[in-house]
Amino acid sequence: AQSVTQLDSQVPVFEEAPVELRCNYSSSVSVYLFWYVQYPNQGLQLLLKYLSGSTLVKGINGFEAEFNKSQTSFHLRKPSVHISDTAEYFCAVILDISSGSARQLTFGSGTQLTVLP
Amino acid sequence: SQTIHQWPATLVQPVGSPLSLECTVEGTSNPNLYWYRQAAGRGLQLLFYSVGIGQISSEVPQNLSASRPQDRQFILSSKKLLLSDSGFYLCAWGGRVSTEAFFGQGTRLTVV
Repeated sequence: AQSVTQLDSQVPVFEEAPVELRCNYSSSVSVYLFWYVQYPNQGLQLLLKYLSGSTLVKGINGFEAEFNKSQTSFHLRKPSVHISDTAEYFCAVILDISSGSARQLTFGSGTQLTVLP
Repeated sequence: SQTIHQWPATLVQPVGSPLSLECTVEGTSNPNLYWYRQAAGRGLQLLFYSVGIGQISSEVPQNLSASRPQDRQFILSSKKLLLSDSGFYLCAWGGRVSTEAFFGQGTRLTVV
């Protein structure tokens, strides 16, 4: 069974500091990996995704993530955060990439990023 | 472009009352449709998904049911709500060949 682990439930960081939100998954087969952001009382918005190719993926709002197959990780990074980056961030994985049926996203428990002035 | 509508945005219902949450998608045909629940302080739990009209798969046995009466309409229902049904419900759609899911704005359900 696949699972996604976000090790940190809360990450406080000062404005303009760098941040890394950690995500590990458990799977022995190829997967698709995603990061979503959720602002309060809103739906989820896709930040970035890894399907294949370059292991460094760049997304919106200056975020990037690196796929590390040997460590089964997909950590999200930003070199300098803003107050507006305060939100909850979810890592997600699709295991059955060969299936033509509904592809199910499995989400981590989320990391609340709070950017402090 | 594709859009997804979910309503209502907030809902307060007494225990034992029925529930109906509706989700519609525009700008695409034959989408995969999903209902997720997000409980306070927890991640997203997949409740139901559908690959076509009348085709519903349940991921978690519970007090809820889903239906897909039309291609781009997905409904989440309950005959009698429980306190534990409180949470943030999210509808999402995905294409047949795309990878990510696109989410609605969610419904905050409070059962009192």
